[in-house]
Amino acid sequence: NAGVTQTPKFRVLKTGQSMTLLCAQDMNHEYMYWYRQDPGMGLRLIHYSVGEGTTAKGEVPDGYNVSRLKKQNFLLGLESAAPSQTSVYFCASSYSGGRSYEQYFGPGTRLTVT
Amino acid sequence: AQSVAQPEDQVNVAEGNPLTVKCTYSVSGNPYLFWYVQYPNRGLQFLLKYITGDNLVKGSYGFEAEFNKSQTSFHLKKPSALVSDSALYFCAVRDLRNAGNNRKLIWGLGTSLAVNP
Repeated sequence: NAGVTQTPKFRVLKTGQSMTLLCAQDMNHEYMYWYRQDPGMGLRLIHYSVGEGTTAKGEVPDGYNVSRLKKQNFLLGLESAAPSQTSVYFCASSYSGGRSYEQYFGPGTRLTVT
Repeated sequence: AQSVAQPEDQVNVAEGNPLTVKCTYSVSGNPYLFWYVQYPNRGLQFLLKYITGDNLVKGSYGFEAEFNKSQTSFHLKKPSALVSDSALYFCAVRDLRNAGNNRKLIWGLGTSLAVNP
């Protein structure tokens, strides 16, 4: 199993450009999450999904959109990138059964917006 | 209010010495508590969790954590630190603030552990 994978690993954008980050998981998890990690601020939840075709806002959703058309994929879009979106982005997934609250993380995407 | 606090930004310990990384929490209801580790330029890796049962939980890489309900703490411990344990450690708790089963976690800000040879 590959677990959670993220594409791309690195990206540099200019202000105003758009891009999509792809997250894929092969663990048949229902729940998926997008976080951003910034120095001194820990992990902040951007958007999440509790199943195929569903999405919901997290703590810091502004400037981002998401889609979950297939259970295994969760896409994060930036329509018009801003320097404040320079960050490391992590995708995570978790199982929906029992008490399995632990989340499994991808390797991250380092995004720089100039 | 539900929250998680990691009171130390950085912990330094000599190799071979015991290490403790502290975490305190505030939740309504039964806490589900987690520890994760993040090595440089990597994603977070799950170390261990407390749901119920024995207050001492054993996890990966020789780590363990002690749940203390009266002190609302869940400190991460290891009897003998290795240089390779140097990493960023995150504590998290189940988020019960909103209705619905979304399995969200509330995260601490992380503690940087440096193990010196």
